[in-house]
Amino acid sequence: KQEVTQIPAALSVPEGENLVLNCSFTDSAIYNLQWFRQDPGKGLTSLLLIQSSQREQTSGRLNASLDKSSGRSTLYIAASQPGDSATYLCAVAPSGSARQLTFGSGTQLTVLP
Amino acid sequence: KAGVTQTPRYLIKTRGQQVTLSCSPISGHRSVSWYQQTPGQGLQFLFEYFSETQRNKGNFPGRFSGRQFSNSRSEMNVSTLELGDSALYLCASSLESQGLEQYFGPGTRLTVT
Repeated sequence: KQEVTQIPAALSVPEGENLVLNCSFTDSAIYNLQWFRQDPGKGLTSLLLIQSSQREQTSGRLNASLDKSSGRSTLYIAASQPGDSATYLCAVAPSGSARQLTFGSGTQLTVLP
Repeated sequence: KAGVTQTPRYLIKTRGQQVTLSCSPISGHRSVSWYQQTPGQGLQFLFEYFSETQRNKGNFPGRFSGRQFSNSRSEMNVSTLELGDSALYLCASSLESQGLEQYFGPGTRLTVT
């Protein structure tokens, strides 16, 4: 059974700092890995999708990497802003059931002005 | 293009009642998945529908059911509600050609009293 772990559970940083969020998974037979952002009481916003054959994806100040063999992904946020404050979730889709996502418990990020 | 919409956004029900939640996917998306989010269990996969057929089902009791219509809209039903069913219910839609990236709706907040 796939298990996804995110460390740390919470993170507080001053504005402008670069930061890294970590995600690990136990079963490397994945189809893709997706990073989401969730604001309090709201739905999920897709940030980046990495296919199993890819090593990284970039969008603006965000960069996500994937090391399938070691079961790890990182989300790098450059020059953090208060508007980046949210919970960040990673989710893996297994080979064969690509829409059945298994989620980590998230990292709650606070960027202080 | 309109995003995933869910109705109602908020719902209060009493134990023992049943409830039906609705999800309209992004136009052209034929896959709809449902997830339950609670503080204790996090985000858990309920089921996925594609072309009116259930393709995958998570580990939830039979009180949780769903269906999909020919226009890809989906409904999920929970019968004999329990206090533990209080949660944010999220649906997501995806398109085959986009690497199965999932797009989430804002969710329905269900409170069972």
